[in-house]
Amino acid sequence: GAGVSQSPSNKVTEKGKDVELRCDPISGHTALYWYRQSLGQGLEFLIYFQGNSAPDKSGLPSDRFSAERTGGSVSTLTIQRTQQEDSAVYLCASSLIGAAKNIQYFGAGTRLSVL
Amino acid sequence: GQQVMQIPQYQHVQEGEDFTTYCNSSTTLSNIQWYKQRPGGHPVFLIQLVKSGEVKKQKRLTFQFGEAKKNSSLHITATQTTDVGTYFCAGPRGGNTGKLIFGQGTTLQVKP
Repeated sequence: GAGVSQSPSNKVTEKGKDVELRCDPISGHTALYWYRQSLGQGLEFLIYFQGNSAPDKSGLPSDRFSAERTGGSVSTLTIQRTQQEDSAVYLCASSLIGAAKNIQYFGAGTRLSVL
Repeated sequence: GQQVMQIPQYQHVQEGEDFTTYCNSSTTLSNIQWYKQRPGGHPVFLIQLVKSGEVKKQKRLTFQFGEAKKNSSLHITATQTTDVGTYFCAGPRGGNTGKLIFGQGTTLQVKP
């Protein structure tokens, strides 16, 4: 596609439920990143994919968070047993390859609200 | 661990005034990137600086990378209401994988 696409744009869920957030990167981009942005805060790195593998999961805040990427394209971030502190905007970015000099292109994000 | 700090956190200026945000890293960076996030929007890449002491300009925006490659600044001359938003600096988060560590951002408000 023309840009990074994320869905849903907004998600309201009840505490304890599982949620899935989807990211469709720019076609041909092999590197994909998930970030979390709490209100008025900077971006917190969660996980990085190169192709389908996730060489770095160090940013995932707990074992309730997991992510996968299939076909080197679409990625899904899953949060199990959601907690109120999970409420944030989840941003996905992609770049041509995973390299320090590469520009990241961000999606519009998914705003998650846990009640 | 590696940290990237930005100051100030917020800045309110009158339209036409200048604005500067400063970014400081705890480690030497191979490059630094700047992003702008409009209210309700997502971060959009502005520029990347690679060389020590590098200065780049984009119209009214001037970006600098420090000699030690640990700090950077963004200066906006004669702000306009379209400059409103949050400006983030970001540096490579260890290794050469493209992972970024972001500063907390500086939110700019411009009063017309």
